[in-house]
Amino acid sequence: LAKTTQPISMDSYEGQEVNITCSHNNIATNDYITWYQQFPSQGPRFIIQGYKTKVTNEVASLFIPADRKSSTLSLPRVSLSDTAVYYCLVLEGAGSYQLTFGKGTKLSVIP
Amino acid sequence: DTEVTQTPKHLVMGMTNKKSLKCEQHMGHRAMYWYKQKAKKPPELMFVYSYEKLSINESVPSRFSPECPNSSLLNLHLHALQPEDSALYLCASSQRDRGRDEQFFGPGTRLTVL
Repeated sequence: LAKTTQPISMDSYEGQEVNITCSHNNIATNDYITWYQQFPSQGPRFIIQGYKTKVTNEVASLFIPADRKSSTLSLPRVSLSDTAVYYCLVLEGAGSYQLTFGKGTKLSVIP
Repeated sequence: DTEVTQTPKHLVMGMTNKKSLKCEQHMGHRAMYWYKQKAKKPPELMFVYSYEKLSINESVPSRFSPECPNSSLLNLHLHALQPEDSALYLCASSQRDRGRDEQFFGPGTRLTVL
């Protein structure tokens, strides 16, 4: 399983774009990059998943460079309700049930 | 229905008690999971069921006993727990049992062992 490294915490003002970068140097060819969001005392919630280049959905964008050794989760115009822990995970495409959560990034949005 | 439900929301038990946590999903998912999460720590995988068969047991002590009665239900039976087992217990499900997929998590059961 590829290990991920991401900042422990980040602060942002409301309305700003937030970019959280994750490092996964030993990602394998078939692996996917996945991000989850977790609020206190709730289960994690899937945000976005990608393999290469750029993926966008209604809540976030995921940028993955050609070497795939890192990825950046981009949250446009954050609000106070985006204050949460964001986990970057590498999901084995070849066949693993496991989600191995790293330490996550605690994002605090300031009014 | 894209929801995973867990009962109870909170549970307090003594070290000699026997209790069970319940998880239910009606999304037709074939894989179901139990995670344990201590305060300010990431979730840790405990068990995985695929097509109602236990496929992964992450070296969890035998005082935790999972059960999958059918494809929609997942139980976690608890017996002779220790205070350090106090944590948020999360259930999740996914449509596919491996590879690229999204796991749906329930709200968790907050367990306190006295």
